[in-house]
Amino acid sequence: SAVISQKPSRDICQRGTSLTIQCQVDSQVTMMFWYRQQPGQSLTLIATANQGSEATYESGFVIDKFPISRPNLTFSTLTVSNMSPEDSSIYLCSVRQGPYEQYFGPGTRLTVT
Amino acid sequence: GEDVEQSLFLSVREGDSSVINCTYTDSSSTYLYWYKQEPGAGLQLLTYIFSNMDMKQDQRLTVLLNKKDKHLSLRIADTQTGDSAIYFCAESMDRKGFKTIFGAGTRLFVKA
Repeated sequence: SAVISQKPSRDICQRGTSLTIQCQVDSQVTMMFWYRQQPGQSLTLIATANQGSEATYESGFVIDKFPISRPNLTFSTLTVSNMSPEDSSIYLCSVRQGPYEQYFGPGTRLTVT
Repeated sequence: GEDVEQSLFLSVREGDSSVINCTYTDSSSTYLYWYKQEPGAGLQLLTYIFSNMDMKQDQRLTVLLNKKDKHLSLRIADTQTGDSAIYFCAESMDRKGFKTIFGAGTRLFVKA
């Protein structure tokens, strides 16, 4: 199984600022995903980030608010821009290995004050 | 439409079996998953089943799939306090680029 690390593990940020979350995988993967998990809620897919192409955003999420980079097959970043308290959430990086196995990082717990 | 539904809470005594149920709406789902999330942690892939299977067993875990009723269950035998966590059911469809849809999660409480 893929081993995924995320930085930072948690942060407290002021509204109006931006935070970039890093995701590192121990093996090369084609498909990477970014999810949001709001307190007590399930996971919501923000976008799919494939290397060499623009990220594909789900309904309700836009590139200006959540820009994503995917410079190679083992790394990706998600930026949460112009933050508001409603962005307080856990952000999870995920990768797919093979056709059916999907793994998750430990998450980044973001609090916006 | 895409929807995965689970009951929110389940409480069992240590040593008993736990059964967590899930229903999904998309009959073209290709793979169905169970994930475990412990407090403060990410999601751990517990097991998965292909849509052409009825059952899968892996140590204390048994997954049953009723494709006709679109019903998936996870049975944990001899439940331990370490099994206390949130369990997410999820479906993935190859016709949508393997996009994975998650249920709301079932919080399992194991009483000693």
